[in-house]
Amino acid sequence: GQQVMQIPQYQHVQEGEDFTTYCNSSTTLSNIQWYKQRPGGHPVFLIQLVKSGEVKKQKRLTFQFGEAKKNSSLHITATQTTDVGTYFCAGVSPMNYGGSQGNLIFGKGTKLSVKP
Amino acid sequence: DGGITQSPKYLFRKEGQNVTLSCEQNLNHDAMYWYRQDPGQGLRLIYYSQIVNDFQKGDIAEGYSVSREKKESFPLTVTSAQKNPTAFYLCASSVTSGASYNEQFFGPGTRLTVL
Repeated sequence: GQQVMQIPQYQHVQEGEDFTTYCNSSTTLSNIQWYKQRPGGHPVFLIQLVKSGEVKKQKRLTFQFGEAKKNSSLHITATQTTDVGTYFCAGVSPMNYGGSQGNLIFGKGTKLSVKP
Repeated sequence: DGGITQSPKYLFRKEGQNVTLSCEQNLNHDAMYWYRQDPGQGLRLIYYSQIVNDFQKGDIAEGYSVSREKKESFPLTVTSAQKNPTAFYLCASSVTSGASYNEQFFGPGTRLTVL
């Protein structure tokens, strides 16, 4: 079935360093969403990317969607301790694919820890 | 305050017992979802419902059952047939599902431990 791979699984950074997590799909996606889950919490929606090559920014966070709509990345500039958590990408499979038609397919997430 | 509530936050059950997890939303969302999260894993879809009185199996539906008798409620039953039920269960909702894809709003989760 369709898979969404996310790397790295863990990332430890010093506060102030940059951080990037990458997401790759085995098939073309309709769109991709990113969620953040704080330790002990639940996932919270960050952003959705729809267009090929799309780039969106939220303060220190930059989200990209690949030209082929099979990969995406989240980059955090100058990490802060408030950035700690697990970041998930979730791809939306096109409606004409089998399996989870039109539903989110989550990557396993990248757990970010930030040392003050 | 609008949102999704799940109860209880922690749940302990003996092996072989069925258990029902509650999920209620007052966001007036049509679509609701149940996910399972294991340590180091992403979220895996158990069941979803796009409309009242209708629901579909997700990727890991075996050993689970759901009902959607009311728009705001989507309870999940973990049956004794589920071989490894200990996990963190997350309920979510969205305005709709499908082509015009909407963000999902998650509840706080229920951590189920089967002893």
